[in-house]
Amino acid sequence: SAVISQKPSRDICQRGTSLTIQCQVDSQVTMMFWYRQQPGQSLTLIATANQGSEATYESGFVIDKFPISRPNLTFSTLTVSNMSPEDSSIYLCSVDSLTSGRYSDEQFFGPGTRLTVL
Amino acid sequence: GQNIDQPTEMTATEGAIVQINCTYQTSGFNGLFWYQQHAGEAPTFLSYNVLDGLEEKGRFSSFLSRSKGYSYLLLKELQMKDSASYLCAVRDSNYQLIWGAGTKLIIKP
Repeated sequence: SAVISQKPSRDICQRGTSLTIQCQVDSQVTMMFWYRQQPGQSLTLIATANQGSEATYESGFVIDKFPISRPNLTFSTLTVSNMSPEDSSIYLCSVDSLTSGRYSDEQFFGPGTRLTVL
Repeated sequence: GQNIDQPTEMTATEGAIVQINCTYQTSGFNGLFWYQQHAGEAPTFLSYNVLDGLEEKGRFSSFLSRSKGYSYLLLKELQMKDSASYLCAVRDSNYQLIWGAGTKLIIKP
């Protein structure tokens, strides 16, 4: 299993500012995923972060709004830029229990970052 | 398009049994997952089905029928701590996880 930590756990931000969320994993992983979960809704994948390459963004999400860094195999950051109240959500970092390039049967989640934009 | 349907909310009594259904339409299939999510917490893995049939794990069981695009999560001997949202997710042909909106389960004494 993988243990994932996220910072900050929660924040309240002003409109127009940016927040960077950090995700740390206790083991090396190839792929890290960033999700958003708005109140009462399910998970929406924002992007997949691969070490050594550009992140792959899902439809409706762009790099200018959600820049991602992946400097090594245990760490990633997601920045929510030029925030608006619509960005208020829980942001979750996740990894697959991926070994030797194969997907296995579980995805692990960090504790989440609860963001409120005023 | 890809779609996963599950009931929005269910209510059950402590000690009873409850079945949460999930139907899916995805481009390809590489496994179906059930996750539990308590309010304010991250999802935690419950079960994984890739072949038809029933997978049992303690009080929880999960069933899959690929031909029908259908799964259910069965919870037995319900406890108050089982009050949570239960998320159904399917891996499609691109190995991307498609998530359902979740079923909020309320357990009453």
